[in-house]
Amino acid sequence: GAGVSQSPRYKVAKRGQDVALRCDPISGHVSLFWYQQALGQGPEFLTYFQNEAQLDKSGLPSDRFFAERPEGSVSTLKIQRTQQEDSAVYLCASSLANRDYGYTFGSGTRLTVV
Amino acid sequence: GIQVEQSPPDLILQEGANSTLRCNFSDSVNNLQWFHQNPWGQLINLFYIPSGTKQNGRLSATTVATERYSLLYISSSQTTDSGVYFCAVEPGAGGTSYGKLTFGQGTILTVHP
Repeated sequence: GAGVSQSPRYKVAKRGQDVALRCDPISGHVSLFWYQQALGQGPEFLTYFQNEAQLDKSGLPSDRFFAERPEGSVSTLKIQRTQQEDSAVYLCASSLANRDYGYTFGSGTRLTVV
Repeated sequence: GIQVEQSPPDLILQEGANSTLRCNFSDSVNNLQWFHQNPWGQLINLFYIPSGTKQNGRLSATTVATERYSLLYISSSQTTDSGVYFCAVEPGAGGTSYGKLTFGQGTILTVHP
């Protein structure tokens, strides 16, 4: 598609529930990133994929967070046993391997854990 | 890790005014980008500018890598310029990298009609 698509746009989860957030990057974009943005803060890096390989997951806050990109296109960020501190906007971005083109971000998924 | 500081934290302008936003970073960078986050939360890439100067319409940016700062200039501001402006960097000095960005806290810009 023309842009990075994320779904759902909003998600309300009860504490302890598992959630799955989807990112559909721009076609042909090799690199895919997940970021977490808390209210009033800048985005913080979670994880990076190059095609289907997860090359950096150093930003994932706990082992409850898991991301995959099995065919090198669509990616899913899964959060198990959600906690209130997981409430944030989760942003996905993609870029060509040549980063001179910069990032394109999706609109994000706003997760609220109640 | 690398530190990114943006100033001012908040800026209020009257439509038509000019402004300069600053980004200081604590280490050498491979990658520096400016983003605008609109009131609906969408992050828009404005510039990829690890060094030098670029212009795009009313916006321009300059990065002085040796002095570890970047400036974003907005001229003849419009109400649609309102939102949060983020500077984001990837540390490195020419080595392999892939675009992992560290964001500053942002500058909140409000433009009144």
